[in-house]
Amino acid sequence: QSVLTQPPSASATPGQGVTISCSGDSSNVGPNAVSWYQQLPGKAPKLLIYSDNHRPSGVPDRFSGSKSGASASLAISGLQSEDEADYYCTAWDVSLNNWVFGGGTKLTVL
Amino acid sequence: EVDLVESGGGLVQPGRSLRLSCEASGFIFDDYAMHWVRQAPGKGLEWVSGITWNGVRVDYADSVKGRFTVSRDNARNSLYLEMNSLRPEDTALYYCGRGQGSLYSSGPVTDWGPGTLVIVSS
Repeated sequence: QSVLTQPPSASATPGQGVTISCSGDSSNVGPNAVSWYQQLPGKAPKLLIYSDNHRPSGVPDRFSGSKSGASASLAISGLQSEDEADYYCTAWDVSLNNWVFGGGTKLTVL
Repeated sequence: EVDLVESGGGLVQPGRSLRLSCEASGFIFDDYAMHWVRQAPGKGLEWVSGITWNGVRVDYADSVKGRFTVSRDNARNSLYLEMNSLRPEDTALYYCGRGQGSLYSSGPVTDWGPGTLVIVSS
């Protein structure tokens, strides 16, 4: 059982947009910044979004993050086949003194 | 370019110990906190441990507290994870990760190694 809650799956067709949600509480997402990772099959995770809505250098602007209260979202526009991957949210939990993750969302590009 | 390479994984019997290493290059190692994150086969990511730039402060997931010890040698640009009393549920791919700053609590893992596989089985 993951501390942060994500939908297990999402899907959309190429060119469309999709949004993945991440729900936490007052110990993690509420007071702290959320980051998002993309994990392609068989690969290590890659940082997509940090500090709620900032993209590391090299991440396309098709990826964007937002947060409201204890919930965060990752939006992907103009879906491409190479976006098919698992996506994870994470935040620092002040009660656990741990980084906590969502269970991951498997994105399928139909 | 940041490069992280884990080693030390393998097949180990329940109750035994294993030591993982992570060799870092391409950045000033002692400017950054470091993390261990694991992923059981077919499962999601689980943060295991973090260590500040100077090794003074560390934290662990409850699932490994008291059994795992994280350490670093800044002179060797290396991170370690000593794993004792291993259990089948510790079976996972263990990733070494660079933190975003000098404290592991202040930012997420920004760069990851390819991982080293630990299998705990009799």
